[in-house]
Amino acid sequence: QVQLVESGGGVVQPGRSLRLSCVASGFTFNHYAMHWVRQTPGKGLEWVALITYDEVNKYYADSVKGRFTISRDDSKNTLFLQMSSLRPEDSAIYSCARVNLRGVPMGGFDNWGQGTLVTVSS
Amino acid sequence: DIQMTQSPSSLSASVGDRVTITCQASQDISNSLNWYQQKPGKAPKLLIYDASNLETGVPSRFSGSGSGTDFAFTISSLQPEDIAVYFCQQCDVLPITFGQGTRLDIK
Repeated sequence: QVQLVESGGGVVQPGRSLRLSCVASGFTFNHYAMHWVRQTPGKGLEWVALITYDEVNKYYADSVKGRFTISRDDSKNTLFLQMSSLRPEDSAIYSCARVNLRGVPMGGFDNWGQGTLVTVSS
Repeated sequence: DIQMTQSPSSLSASVGDRVTITCQASQDISNSLNWYQQKPGKAPKLLIYDASNLETGVPSRFSGSGSGTDFAFTISSLQPEDIAVYFCQQCDVLPITFGQGTRLDIK
């Protein structure tokens, strides 16, 4: 079955960096676009970034553009989110999610990881 | 950005009731609207995609309708296991945006 497992979260000081990973299994990873989404009790669900199945295109929310980088290593079935210049408002549970159709960048997210908690605090 | 206005924010209903949640987009999104269920401590689960298509394995008491800017999500007969938060999501244009959620509980 499809499984997505995130790791890399933790407590970090403002201005520092963190790299999140999402290991995928149970499907042909390089056939699917992948997204990062974050969730907080106050702001709800917020889309963060998208990488197409072929890694040709990457898109970001304005709130993270220039600070976060999405990437993937298809040889390791792993999605990454490199986060730099972190701010307190980046504190959230970060989840990776798979689009429900092969090859397309957007659609329903039919599989999500359980998430990894990032806390940005001094 | 497209704003997704979801209502109500919370809802209490009895087992067997028909429950409807609405979601309004700030601009035309065609049928690029998905509905999710999220239970405490769990990841969101896709229930309906492209406004009205039932995801594989999802019970038929769940349904979705609408196009353009106005959408609805319905549970035809509420079951105890349906207690959760429900979200709409537009995937027509970036940035993808979500509704603020509807908390559903049993009366």
